Amino acid sequence: QSVLTQPPSASGTPGRMVTFSCSGSSSNIGSNHVYWYQQIPGAAPKLLIYRNNQRPSGVPDRFSGSKSGTSASLAISGLRSDDEADYYCAAWDDSLSGPVFGGGTKLTVL
Amino acid sequence: QVQLVESGGGVVQPGRSLRLSCAASGFSFNSFAMHWVRQAPGKGLEWVAVISDDGSKKFYAGSVKGRFTISRDNSRTTLSLQMNSLRVEDTALYYCAKDRGSSGWRGLPDYWGQGTLVTVFS
Repeated sequence: QSVLTQPPSASGTPGRMVTFSCSGSSSNIGSNHVYWYQQIPGAAPKLLIYRNNQRPSGVPDRFSGSKSGTSASLAISGLRSDDEADYYCAAWDDSLSGPVFGGGTKLTVL
Repeated sequence: QVQLVESGGGVVQPGRSLRLSCAASGFSFNSFAMHWVRQAPGKGLEWVAVISDDGSKKFYAGSVKGRFTISRDNSRTTLSLQMNSLRVEDTALYYCAKDRGSSGWRGLPDYWGQGTLVTVFS
């Protein structure tokens, strides 16, 4: 059971937008920054979003993040077939003194 | 560019020990905290431990506290994870990951290695 809650799956069609939700609590998302990672099957995770809505250099602006209270979301616009991957949210948890991850959402591009 | 290369994984019996290493390059290793994160087969990501840039602060997940020890050698730009009293549930791909900051407190990874597989099997 992951500390952060994500739906296990999501789907979308090429060119459209898809959003992922991540729900936490006051000790993690409510008081710390949210990070989002993309993991293509067989590969290492890649940082997509840090500090709730900041993109590292090289990440396209099709990816955007937001946070409100104890929840966060990731949006992908202009969906592409190579966006098929698992997406994980993460945040530091003050009660556990360490980062916590969501269980991941598997994106299928139809 | 940032490169993180893990090694040391293998098959080990429950109760035994294993030491993982991570060779880092492409950035100022002694300026950043470093993490170990693991992923059991077919499962999600689970944070294991973090160490500050100078090695003075270390934090562990409850599931490994007292059994695993994270350390670093800044002169050799190497991160290590000593794993003792291994359990079947420790079976996972172990990733070395660089933090965005230096202290490790409230930090999360930005760059990740490719991982090294640890299998605990009787």
